[in-house]
Amino acid sequence: GDSVTQMEGPVTLSEEAFLTINCTYTATGYPSLFWYVQYPGEGLQLLLKATKADDKGSNKGFEATYRKETTSFHLEKGSVQVSDSAVYFCALSDQRGGADGLTFGKGTHLIIQP
Amino acid sequence: ETGVTQSPTHLIKTRGQQVTLRCSSQSGHNTVSWYQQALGQGPQFIFQYYREEENGRGNFPPRFSGLQFPNYSSELNVNALELDDSALYLCASSLGVRLSEQYFGPGTRLTVT
Repeated sequence: GDSVTQMEGPVTLSEEAFLTINCTYTATGYPSLFWYVQYPGEGLQLLLKATKADDKGSNKGFEATYRKETTSFHLEKGSVQVSDSAVYFCALSDQRGGADGLTFGKGTHLIIQP
Repeated sequence: ETGVTQSPTHLIKTRGQQVTLRCSSQSGHNTVSWYQQALGQGPQFIFQYYREEENGRGNFPPRFSGLQFPNYSSELNVNALELDDSALYLCASSLGVRLSEQYFGPGTRLTVT
């Protein structure tokens, strides 16, 4: 079945550092890919998405490129802020109309120190 | 525009009991999906309802059941609670069954003792 693997956390960085959170996936078809963010005590918020190969999703300074050849969707940001501290989830949706729901990775806890 | 809301926020139940969790969809959304998020894990898909019918189901036993109402609000029912059912339960709404624009509620934290 479908699966998502993302780097283990916690990831601790200083403010203004460059961020990469790795995400790779296994899927039988051509899934849509997502990054969600979860702040403490809150639900999930969609951060960005890409629906086909070579698409780049971007939002709030974060970006990720759908790489079909490496089955990856790594999250990057050039200069992180303390307010970016949260748990980040990579997820995929197959193309069967969503009837299988989203498949999530285990999440990466990001801690940004001032 | 009202976002996705869930009730209650927290709940404590005893093993063997039954529980009902509620979700109100974002305005205009006709699809609701439910997820279970165990501590330190990513959410796992329970099932999806589209226009009041179950449209898809994850790897959860039949004691997990749901309803969707004509106003597209939804309930998740869990019978015969087990300790491993302790988790954050998230609902997410979208317009249509494709998941490219799915909005999550804040969740209900269920503790089974």
